[in-house]
Amino acid sequence: QVQLVQSGAEVKKPGASVKISCEASGYTFTSYIMYWVRQAPGQRLEWMGWINAANGDTHYSQKFQDRVTLTRDTSANAAYMELSSLRSEDTAVYYCAREIGGSRQFDYWGQGTLVTVSS
Amino acid sequence: QSALTQPRSVSGSPGQSVTISCTGTSSDVGAYNYVSWYQQHPGKAPKLMIYDVIKRPSGVPDRFSGSKSGNTASLTISGLQAEDEADYYCSSYADNYVLIFGGGTTLTVL
Repeated sequence: QVQLVQSGAEVKKPGASVKISCEASGYTFTSYIMYWVRQAPGQRLEWMGWINAANGDTHYSQKFQDRVTLTRDTSANAAYMELSSLRSEDTAVYYCAREIGGSRQFDYWGQGTLVTVSS
Repeated sequence: QSALTQPRSVSGSPGQSVTISCTGTSSDVGAYNYVSWYQQHPGKAPKLMIYDVIKRPSGVPDRFSGSKSGNTASLTISGLQAEDEADYYCSSYADNYVLIFGGGTTLTVL
């Protein structure tokens, strides 16, 4: 069965960076694009970017393109999201999600990783 | 890019039907048949309920159905059950490599 398992909760100070992992299993990792989506407390879902697991191509939302870096390790079947220059507004749950064939729709999601930014 | 517009809340009694709307523009909902709906229970990850406007993933009850007319997509839940109480988000493929989510609708089963 398909599973996306994310790393645990993080607490960071303003200005720091955070890197979250998303380990995939149950499918061919390189056959799919992985998205990263975040949800601030009580807020709507917000996409951050995606990475093509096959070739490492990335595309970022304009809102985050200066601060986010998506990478992947095909030997570990894992995708990573690093967000830099953290501020309090970045406090949110971050999800990885597997895309259905180029449609920007997601059939499997990670369990989410809470990132808290506080001084 | 603005969020898709959803009602903040809807409610219904067990056994009834409810419909949640999702209004966008001719650059997103109206232009593409890549509208999806996600159910989210508190503290949980979103779960895909409808994709490609009308398709249901395996395992999703046929009480859930999707449709679209012009720039507005809709999710209808018939035969409401207590476990349907959750937040529901729509999303749409949009121009210029953009993905847009709705603001979310809280469904209360009375």
